[in-house]
Amino acid sequence: NAGVTQTPKFRILKIGQSMTLQCTQDMNHNYMYWYRQDPGMGLKLIYYSVGAGITDKGEVPNGYNVSRSTTEDFPLRLELAAPSQTSVYFCASSYRAEQYFGPGTRLTVT
Amino acid sequence: DQQVKQNSPSLSVQEGRISILNCDYTNSMFDYFLWYKKYPAEGPTFLISISSIKDKNEDGRFTVFLNKSAKHLSLHIVPSQPGDSAVYFCAASAGAGSYQLTFGKGTKLSVIP
Repeated sequence: NAGVTQTPKFRILKIGQSMTLQCTQDMNHNYMYWYRQDPGMGLKLIYYSVGAGITDKGEVPNGYNVSRSTTEDFPLRLELAAPSQTSVYFCASSYRAEQYFGPGTRLTVT
Repeated sequence: DQQVKQNSPSLSVQEGRISILNCDYTNSMFDYFLWYKKYPAEGPTFLISISSIKDKNEDGRFTVFLNKSAKHLSLHIVPSQPGDSAVYFCAASAGAGSYQLTFGKGTKLSVIP
């Protein structure tokens, strides 16, 4: 039981490039989430999903897109990367309020 | 507008003593509260939670107290151990079935041997 896995662990992007952050969970949780954490700040919700085929915006969705074609996978797409998207990204899943987090992806946009 | 506030960015405590981490909230709709622990280069891990129908929840060395009238909760760690050194996040949701958590900025706890 791996829990929540995220790839890659680190990535450096040039301004204007695009990439997809992968997230997979093996706990059969309906709910999945993407957060970003900036230095000295709490986690801010980017997007969330309540089940396959259903996604919705969180607090800071601009510049990101998501899809949820299966229960297990919840990829986060960055289009036209900007320096403001430099952050640590966490994926999480849950079946109720207690969320289980992946190890994070550290993204730098230069 | 911060709905969940952790006003102490850092806290240092001697090993064996009590650590008290505080959290305040402003949204009256919050009725379920959680504490997460985060080590560097790892994701947050769930520690303990409390529903608004309770004022205390205990799990081993960890106890969370909730004062609804003051919109305040605290996490007590007794006794503190060096392995407890981490960043602690307070989070809140509007119901145990809610899928959205609002996080505080975190408090970095250092337990000194």
